[in-house]
Amino acid sequence: GQNIDQPTEMTATEGAIVQINCTYQTSGFNGLFWYQQHAGEAPTFLSYNVLDGLEEKGRFSSFLSRSKGYSYLLLKELQMKDSASYLCAVRDSNYQLIWGAGTKLIIKP
Amino acid sequence: IAGITQAPTSQILAAGRRMTLRCTQDMRHNAMYWYRQDLGLGLRLIHYSNTAGTTGKGEVPDGYSVSRANTDDFPLTLASAVPSQTSVYFCASATGDNQPQHFGDGTRLSIL
Repeated sequence: GQNIDQPTEMTATEGAIVQINCTYQTSGFNGLFWYQQHAGEAPTFLSYNVLDGLEEKGRFSSFLSRSKGYSYLLLKELQMKDSASYLCAVRDSNYQLIWGAGTKLIIKP
Repeated sequence: IAGITQAPTSQILAAGRRMTLRCTQDMRHNAMYWYRQDLGLGLRLIHYSNTAGTTGKGEVPDGYSVSRANTDDFPLTLASAVPSQTSVYFCASATGDNQPQHFGDGTRLSIL
C-alpha cells in the first residue's frame, strides 16, 4: 500500500528553527509537495521537490532524498503566524497526490 | 479576484437527501479535484478531471459523482447522503497534473 508518515504534532519557540520530517512509500514517485494549512482554512502551496537536495524559499526550505524516501521542511526564524498544520504529499506513478495526515505545529512565545 | 469558489460554505443535511457541492474556478486550469478531509487522516481524493469532458475516480469515489461540462465548473454530487460522508470537502485545481494544486475554502458538510 501507499503510505506517508509525518509526526502528528510538534512544538517550537518563536524565533527558533524547526524541522518537520516526512517519510513515504508510494507506487512510483513524481515529486513531493509541502502545503501549509491554518485551522479552518484551505491548504496553500509551500514547496515542491522532484530532485534530491535542498530547495530554499525565504524562511522555508525543503529537502528530498529519493533513495531514502524522505523529505523534511525546515522553518527558520519562527513566527507566531507559522502555527499551522504542514502537509506532505507525494505524486505517485499515476500522477495522483497521496497526502500525509499533516503535522500540527504549535509556536510558543 | 481570481481563484476557486466553493458553495455552500457549510451545510447540515438529512441522511438520504441528495446534495450538490459547487466548485468554480476562473484561472482556466485544466485539472480539477475533489478531496475530503477527516480528522487524523490525510486529504483523500474522491474524483478528478484532467480536462473538460473527462473525469476519473480517486481513492474514495463510492457514493459520489462528478461532471465536467466546461473548464470552470466541477460539481460534486452525493446521490443519497449517509452519515459517514460528514466531512470537510475541498475542491482544487491545477494547470496540469504535474503542477501545484490551488484549493478552495472548503465546504463543511454534516449528515444527520
